[in-house]
Amino acid sequence: ETGVTQTPRHLVMGMTNKKSLKCEQHLGHNAMYWYKQSAKKPLELMFVYSLEERVENNSVPSRFSPECPNSSHLFLHLHTLQPEDSALYLCASSQEGPGGGPDEQYFGPGTRLTVT
Amino acid sequence: AQTVTQSQPEMSVQEAETVTLSCTYDTSENNYYLFWYKQPPSRQMILVIRQEAYKQQNATENRFSVNFQKAAKSFSLKISDSQLGDTAMYFCASNMFSGGYNKLIFGAGTRLAVHP
Repeated sequence: ETGVTQTPRHLVMGMTNKKSLKCEQHLGHNAMYWYKQSAKKPLELMFVYSLEERVENNSVPSRFSPECPNSSHLFLHLHTLQPEDSALYLCASSQEGPGGGPDEQYFGPGTRLTVT
Repeated sequence: AQTVTQSQPEMSVQEAETVTLSCTYDTSENNYYLFWYKQPPSRQMILVIRQEAYKQQNATENRFSVNFQKAAKSFSLKISDSQLGDTAMYFCASNMFSGGYNKLIFGAGTRLAVHP
């Protein structure tokens, strides 16, 4: 266990559904991330929250909507997805400090999303 | 753009033997960090080893060591005395500091199978 949990672990949804992915970190970190992992492709960074403020929105379609209500929780709200959005969605957290190098990112187990 | 390339989609090794996974990168950063992450079949990604580019000495963590060739922008991972539990996807990553925070750029991964 890395101290980062994600729910649900598996999700099947239709293209007209609305669902949310949840991530929680128990490490006291100040930065959280959403990644998309598709087969045979590098991990794609989707969103970054630093001190609960979104600092990166990596050209992600608006059908993905992140929310970070506090430093321990991160959500990814999904609506009107497409079949090509089927992937493993990983959440990560890290402790970012001023002037130093990047700290290790701790990953959750992921949510396997299938869009039908 | 910053890129990370892993040229070996799949590798296999016999238990107790040594295997080397390749990684090359391209970065415009002056000070940067390189990472190897492991993602076992259970899917939770964990950090294996980390190298700070300004340090000439290669990082080691027990059976894991790196061969960091800065001029060649090469960062290979050597696993000695391979164990069945080393079976996993291995991702090479470099950091990019932008907008006041760090983000990781990942390669496409190498799937390693350790056989008895």
